[in-house]
Amino acid sequence: VVLTQTPLSSPVTLGQPASISCSSTHSLVHTDGSTYLSWLQQRPGQPPRLLLYKISNRFSGVPDRFSGSGAGTDFTLEISTVEAEDVGVYYCMQATYFPLSFGGGTRVEIK
Amino acid sequence: DVQLVESGGGLMQPGRSLRISCKASGFAFDEYAMHWVRQPPGKGLEWVAGIKWNSGSIGYADSVKGRFTISRDNAEKMLYFQMNSLRSDDTAIYYCVKDTGEEGAFDVWGQGTMVTVSS
Repeated sequence: VVLTQTPLSSPVTLGQPASISCSSTHSLVHTDGSTYLSWLQQRPGQPPRLLLYKISNRFSGVPDRFSGSGAGTDFTLEISTVEAEDVGVYYCMQATYFPLSFGGGTRVEIK
Repeated sequence: DVQLVESGGGLMQPGRSLRISCKASGFAFDEYAMHWVRQPPGKGLEWVAGIKWNSGSIGYADSVKGRFTISRDNAEKMLYFQMNSLRSDDTAIYYCVKDTGEEGAFDVWGQGTMVTVSS
């Protein structure tokens, strides 16, 4: 399963929204009915951090300005108002099929 | 605190072997699947191997299958990655990662250990 993220880079003004898309070559709906699509954030010099799981569920401690949507093969991560600490690379990941796979990443930077 | 600490990385010549390790603490290690994810310098993430809580199911990426072996010791709360026949394209930060279980996501990441393969 190949995950394609767009855009590759997203220059954003502080306080403005940002949106990242993740498109899969195969439907990510598992035979158990769940869709195992998650989003991770990697700040500069840090390991990745889980933001959202199963499309839209925020992980513990994740601010509510992060939200996820989508179904089947197309998914979106939205940041309602970008803050300076949101700078980094964002990855989608699928765990519906083996081998597990990540999108290529989208860099969020401040204009 | 929930923590994963990797060790054992270093500079290796092509064709040589290396074992990296990960020490878990702060959670019931024997209840969760664990994974290794790698990241070449300046590039994206690649899942390379995973192992179920009881070692009953193991999976590998095609890029490492037949060369690398994942294993675990639940009594010691350790995850291992034996890497044989190393190649230059194995150069990466190797992250030890905890699986959430039913949520199908990766919720705890170590700081990573750097493996460099070069002559």
